[in-house]
Amino acid sequence: SQQGEEDPQALSIQEGENATMNCSYKTSINNLQWYRQNSGRGLVHLILIRSNEREKHSGRLRVTLDTSKKSSSLLITASRAADTASYFCVSGGGADGLTFGKGTHLIIQP
Amino acid sequence: AAGVIQSPRHLIKEKRETATLKCYPIPRHDTVYWYQQGPGQDPQFLISFYEKMQSDKGSIPDRFSAQQFSDYHSELNMSSLELGDSALYFCASSLSSDTQYFGPGTRLTVL
Repeated sequence: SQQGEEDPQALSIQEGENATMNCSYKTSINNLQWYRQNSGRGLVHLILIRSNEREKHSGRLRVTLDTSKKSSSLLITASRAADTASYFCVSGGGADGLTFGKGTHLIIQP
Repeated sequence: AAGVIQSPRHLIKEKRETATLKCYPIPRHDTVYWYQQGPGQDPQFLISFYEKMQSDKGSIPDRFSAQQFSDYHSELNMSSLELGDSALYFCASSLSSDTQYFGPGTRLTVL
């Protein structure tokens, strides 16, 4: 698997605002996944986007993928306090382990 | 829907002791993964098993071993525990797919 580099490392916004996180990677991919981790808890799979897809939606989440720029973005609309978490992007899978980066730590201010 | 089950959820051990962590994957999932997350660190992949055979190996210390049993549950055995082994240990499972579903983790504290 391949580690993504999330940007920014930290993001603080007001509740109700939209949050955008970016991810860059180095080599070609088959897919890219986003995970969320609330403090001290397990990782939750949010969304997987395949290399032949450009955009994908899931509830308040919107993920884009630009393979020419080797980048992806995760947009969370109408943020809520419960969205406070670290967000990771990672590619790969199958029977291989995932390589996580530092993630983006998102704080939603009430 | 059933999720990944890990036991125990919390474990306290002394230095040089051994510990065994258990993971019960989502029913019908055939692949199990183990990760270690130290305080303030990102999760690090340790090892994975597909159909009871070791599939991929990450940064697992030689003091650690793991296996997957015929019922697909997995155990991570840790010997000669060190203070630096204190961490959250996550198990994840998947069904021959790219999406891994993580358990709640076992918090190991080594004193």
